Amino acid sequence: GEDVEQSLFLSVREGDSSVINCTYTDSSSTYLYWYKQEPGAGLQLLTYIFSNMDMKQDQRLTVLLNKKDKHLSLRIADTQTGDSAIYFCAERGSNSGYALNFGKGTSLLVTP
Amino acid sequence: KAGVTQTPRYLIKTRGQQVTLSCSPISGHRSVSWYQQTPGQGLQFLFEYFSETQRNKGNFPGRFSGRQFSNSRSEMNVSTLELGDSALYLCASSLPGGEGDEQFFGPGTRLTVL
Repeated sequence: GEDVEQSLFLSVREGDSSVINCTYTDSSSTYLYWYKQEPGAGLQLLTYIFSNMDMKQDQRLTVLLNKKDKHLSLRIADTQTGDSAIYFCAERGSNSGYALNFGKGTSLLVTP
Repeated sequence: KAGVTQTPRYLIKTRGQQVTLSCSPISGHRSVSWYQQTPGQGLQFLFEYFSETQRNKGNFPGRFSGRQFSNSRSEMNVSTLELGDSALYLCASSLPGGEGDEQFFGPGTRLTVL
């Protein structure tokens, strides 16, 4: 199947910005999503971007999409300790119904 | 509005047994998808149901099956359990045609196979 790749780990200091990167291979991707998972919990939808957009901002979150390079990033401004979690990038292809293809997740550690 | 609920939250079974997991979607949502999450394979799509019909299926053996009822609640069944079926099983509901076609996930059912 198509691949979604993420770096496994990121550590930042409280108050700094975090940037989590993701690359995907399916050129037919329609929507790309960012989910957050805290220990012992399900997935929380953070934001999404439609494939014809370059950028989407939602409060502290900024999503950038480079469709040519199939690169997606999530920037978290003013990162807080409560942002420590695993962040998953997911893509939905035009031919895959509602099936989401997830990356392995990036574990974000925010230190005081 | 209540979120996606999954029951039970935790389950312990032995090899060879079968198990049924339940998912109640957000009110008004008609699409339910199931995912398996393991440390090794990550999140993998199992199947998706809409209006009681399976619309999409992932690459899992036939031991994994599901169904959806007229009230959109869904169940998934795993027969002849194997140790490798130990995982967190996540259900997601969606309102087709909604902005972004977002999928909202439940807390999951943690299945341990001994």
